Amino acid sequence: GENVEQHPSTLSVQEGDSAVIKCTYSDSASNYFPWYKQELGKGPQLIIDIRSNVGEKKDQRIAVTLNKTAKHFSLHITETQPEDSAVYFCAASKDSSASKIIFGSGTRLSIRP
Amino acid sequence: DAGVIQSPRHEVTEMGQEVTLRCKPISGHNSLFWYRQTMMRGLELLIYFNNNVPIDDSGMPEDRFSAKMPNASFSTLKIQPSEPRDSAVYFCATSAWDRDTQYFGPGTRLTVL
Repeated sequence: GENVEQHPSTLSVQEGDSAVIKCTYSDSASNYFPWYKQELGKGPQLIIDIRSNVGEKKDQRIAVTLNKTAKHFSLHITETQPEDSAVYFCAASKDSSASKIIFGSGTRLSIRP
Repeated sequence: DAGVIQSPRHEVTEMGQEVTLRCKPISGHNSLFWYRQTMMRGLELLIYFNNNVPIDDSGMPEDRFSAKMPNASFSTLKIQPSEPRDSAVYFCATSAWDRDTQYFGPGTRLTVL
């Protein structure tokens, strides 16, 4: 089955700097890659996603890149702010309809003032 | 829209007791997922339903766990009898039939003493 590995497990960056979180997946049939942000005491919330027919997607300070050949994808957060502090999860799914999404182990991002 | 609603938000019970967690999906969403989150194992998919029918319950840890979806607007996850190792945060997530994005509820924090 699909396996998603995520690195690093913890990340601390200075406010205003960029943060990068990387994930790899094992199943070449995976075609949907969402990223979720989980704040303390809340459920994960989708922040951005990318499909296999796209190499990069941006939404304001957040961008995601996908390399299908290497089977890895990354989350980039620029100009980090204190409210970016949270746990971030990458995930992968290989069906286009509602199906199982396999989550990575999470990255705890801390923004230093 | 109210989003995914879960109840109770917190549950403390004693070993051996029956526990029932409840979820109300977003109106119109046809797929429902139950997850368990712990520090050790991360976010695990327990079971998911499409159109009220269980599709994959391979993540249900033991026969002590059961889930039902009697109609499109309600699902339960039951643990009987509960054990201390069941202590975790349980999330319900839902998605529309033809989309992959899953929307998570706020979770139920279960503590089994």
